[in-house]
Amino acid sequence: EAQVTQNPRYLITVTGKKLTVTCSQNMNHEYMSWYRQDPGLGLRQIYYSMNVEVTDKGDVPEGYKVSRKEKRNFPLILESPSPNQTSLYFCASSLIHREYEQYFGPGTRLTVT
Amino acid sequence: DAKTTQPPSMDCAEGRAANLPCNHSTISGNEYVYWYRQIHSQGPQYIIHGLKNNETNEMASLIITEDRKSSTLILPHATLRDTAVYYCIVRQWGAQKLVFGQGTRLTINP
Repeated sequence: EAQVTQNPRYLITVTGKKLTVTCSQNMNHEYMSWYRQDPGLGLRQIYYSMNVEVTDKGDVPEGYKVSRKEKRNFPLILESPSPNQTSLYFCASSLIHREYEQYFGPGTRLTVT
Repeated sequence: DAKTTQPPSMDCAEGRAANLPCNHSTISGNEYVYWYRQIHSQGPQYIIHGLKNNETNEMASLIITEDRKSSTLILPHATLRDTAVYYCIVRQWGAQKLVFGQGTRLTINP
């Protein structure tokens, strides 16, 4: 089944403890992206990647890192999480020539205390 | 990207057509209209897109006015599973980033 998977789905952590949220897709998509969703603010893009080893900042990249060493994986790294990064995170992917049809993962609900 | 305006909420009876409006009066000639929906806290799902012609797929129909300043997403026979937040997005073809506004919360009532 074609899908985008994220792990973990839920995470409660403490300020400053490094964490990684994984994202994997099995559709051979070139484009991958991370969004965060907060009440009243909608979905905002954090980082995106057009292909392996090609990443770029979105609208709210501060406090996050990403890497794209393999086509299928696009992990989101929080080196020193803070409470303002408590949010619902979504990974998305698409083919470059079908960028209108992005597939989203199920989401990761992160709480930083 | 052009700004979009959608009603914050709408209700529709199950089995009836749900018509969701979107205003995008500042749309430019090379910008497309896209619709996504998000069922409670799940990842958004692509529905349909169009430039100036009406479009239809297995999920919905998209009607774009001749001046392209507004559009309507039509779910022909709404079911309870169509209850979701529907986002109208306007952006240039090939632009990867999706900019989600507040959307319309559609509730399908039995």
